[in-house]
Amino acid sequence: DIVLTQSPDSLAVSLGERASITCKSSQSLLYTSNNKNYLAWIQHKAGQPPKPLIFWASSRESGVPDRFSGSVSGTDFTLTISSLQAEDVAVYYCQQYYGNPPYTFGQGTRLEIK
Amino acid sequence: EVQLLESGGTLVQPGGSLKLHCVGSGFHFAGFAMTWVRQAPGKGLEWVATISGTGASTYYTDSGQGRFTISRDNSKNTVYLQMNSLRPEDAAVYYCARHEIIVVPSRLDYWGQGTSVIVSS
Repeated sequence: DIVLTQSPDSLAVSLGERASITCKSSQSLLYTSNNKNYLAWIQHKAGQPPKPLIFWASSRESGVPDRFSGSVSGTDFTLTISSLQAEDVAVYYCQQYYGNPPYTFGQGTRLEIK
Repeated sequence: EVQLLESGGTLVQPGGSLKLHCVGSGFHFAGFAMTWVRQAPGKGLEWVATISGTGASTYYTDSGQGRFTISRDNSKNTVYLQMNSLRPEDAAVYYCARHEIIVVPSRLDYWGQGTSVIVSS
């Protein structure tokens, strides 16, 4: 199975500052046929269902603020929040959807306000 | 508006069985693969099972293989998760989620609110 390792496990950032979370995959998630990386970022707030933020590693879901962005370098993926807002406090997960399931998740990164 | 509503979660004894339901609305249910994901208390998200839009293809986590069965009734816009031989470690909030298309590989684009399963004597 594909293993996703996120870092850090928790992060405290001041309001208005940048927050970055990294997700390392144990194998490539790139389909060369369409040049897409099959990785998503998901935001999970307490008491709410998980909310997809990013797909294809760098495409924002409809309605997601543009302060959220995703990038990739090989098998290393990054979620960046350019200017942290209070409502961004959550646990963030990466998830791969490459090939057939299992579609594993990273262990999660807890983001808090400093 | 796409909506997913899970039900069926309850307290069950170890070794018992439970069937979870997820009803979809606001979209053509048969046109989308569906997945169950769970979150145990204090833990992260864990993929559990996936079924294609036609029901022809199913996939399971190793821990659920042989104990869990995912199925769907497209006439009722419902996906099910039958769980047998339940263990304490199966206790979790179970979410159903919709894929973006009928087959895999594809991302999850909508999630339900979840239903809670407690496994305890």
